[in-house]
Amino acid sequence: KQEVTQIPAALSVPEGENLVLNCSFTDSAIYNLQWFRQDPGKGLTSLLLIQSSQREQTSGRLNASLDKSSGRSTLYIAASQPGDSATYLCAVRDNDMRFGAGTRLTVKP
Amino acid sequence: EAGVVQSPRYKIIEKKQPVAFWCNPISGHNTLYWYRQNLGQGPELLIRYENEEAVDDSQLPKDRFSAERLKGVDSTLKIQPAELGDSAVYLCASRAGAGGAGTQYFGPGTRLTVL
Repeated sequence: KQEVTQIPAALSVPEGENLVLNCSFTDSAIYNLQWFRQDPGKGLTSLLLIQSSQREQTSGRLNASLDKSSGRSTLYIAASQPGDSATYLCAVRDNDMRFGAGTRLTVKP
Repeated sequence: EAGVVQSPRYKIIEKKQPVAFWCNPISGHNTLYWYRQNLGQGPELLIRYENEEAVDDSQLPKDRFSAERLKGVDSTLKIQPAELGDSAVYLCASRAGAGGAGTQYFGPGTRLTVL
């Protein structure tokens, strides 16, 4: 059974810092990997989708990489802002979508 | 374009009572998902529909949970009777097409509290 792990569970950084969130998964037979953002009391918003044949995707200050063979993905956030504060979830899609528990990010002004 | 709509947003009930959640997916999306998200955890799949067919309900506790997607559009998830451990956020998501690719779009969820 696919297991998805996210490290760290929580992260607090000062505004302007660059940061990296980590995601690992146990079974490399995936269709894609997706990073989501979840604000308190809200649903999930898709940030980046990386297909299994791709190595990375970029959107604005966000860059996500995928190393399928090692079962790892990273989400890089450049020049962090207080508005980036949220929980970030990664999910891998094999037959279903399996989520990690998330990293709760706080960016302090 | 309207996103995934869920109602109610919040529900508080006493244990052993029934409860139902409703989801309207994005227009034209064939695939619909129901997830349960416990506090501090990622969502866990309960059931997946391809049009009106439930193609994966292996994680749905069938003794008390049921779901339907009549006409392949809206869907309802029901719990009867509810237990204390059912307190969670219930998320609905939809995706265009079938198969492995494509982005899932999530609704805001229904936060259930069972007292």
